[in-house]
Amino acid sequence: NAGVIQTPRHKVTGKGQEATLWCEPISGHSAVFWYRQTIVQGLEFLTYFRNQAPIDDSGMPKERFSAQMPNQSHSTLKIQSTQPQDSAVYLCASSPDWGGYAEQFFGPGTRLTVL
Amino acid sequence: SQWGEENLQALSIQEGEDVTMNCSYKTYTTVVQWYRQKSGKGPAQLILIRSNEREKRSGRLRATLDTSSQSSSLSITGTLATDTAVYFCATDDTNAYKVIFGKGTHLHVLP
Repeated sequence: NAGVIQTPRHKVTGKGQEATLWCEPISGHSAVFWYRQTIVQGLEFLTYFRNQAPIDDSGMPKERFSAQMPNQSHSTLKIQSTQPQDSAVYLCASSPDWGGYAEQFFGPGTRLTVL
Repeated sequence: SQWGEENLQALSIQEGEDVTMNCSYKTYTTVVQWYRQKSGKGPAQLILIRSNEREKRSGRLRATLDTSSQSSSLSITGTLATDTAVYFCATDDTNAYKVIFGKGTHLHVLP
């Protein structure tokens, strides 16, 4: 079991460019979560899917961020017109269940740098 | 302590010492999970403690949960340099069926 896979590990974009981050959850896990991590804000929840359906996107900046889960084997987080303040580590996690008792298994993250 | 509007906490101790990290939460929870994140990695669960458990142990780790004061703690005995990491507590968001992570405590264990 390779764990949660995130690609790329590092991405550098210019201001105004688009960035697409990929996540492959652990096979059989029904929930997929996206987080953003910075030194200042810590670990911020962005969005999550349950059985591929979007459940809660309350943490997503509405205008430029979008997430999809077209099939059970991958999810994408897309950031349009990237800004320097989008620079962060984006973490994907999957879980065999949802709710407070469910352990989340995190990928290594994608470090996004916007110049 | 970590939670809410508090900034990331930082602790620096010598190898071999014991340490306790605290977490307080704002709303009722039935469970607290503790996670550890090492540099360059994603967080990984260390221990889960339920509201009907006052204490739970796993190796050198001991977690406590006090629902009356809405607080939890994680203790590590005989710390090692490899315990250097950021430690997060996470509670149950019952409305949204997800967990809410605290701000984290950065522990640095000096060899």
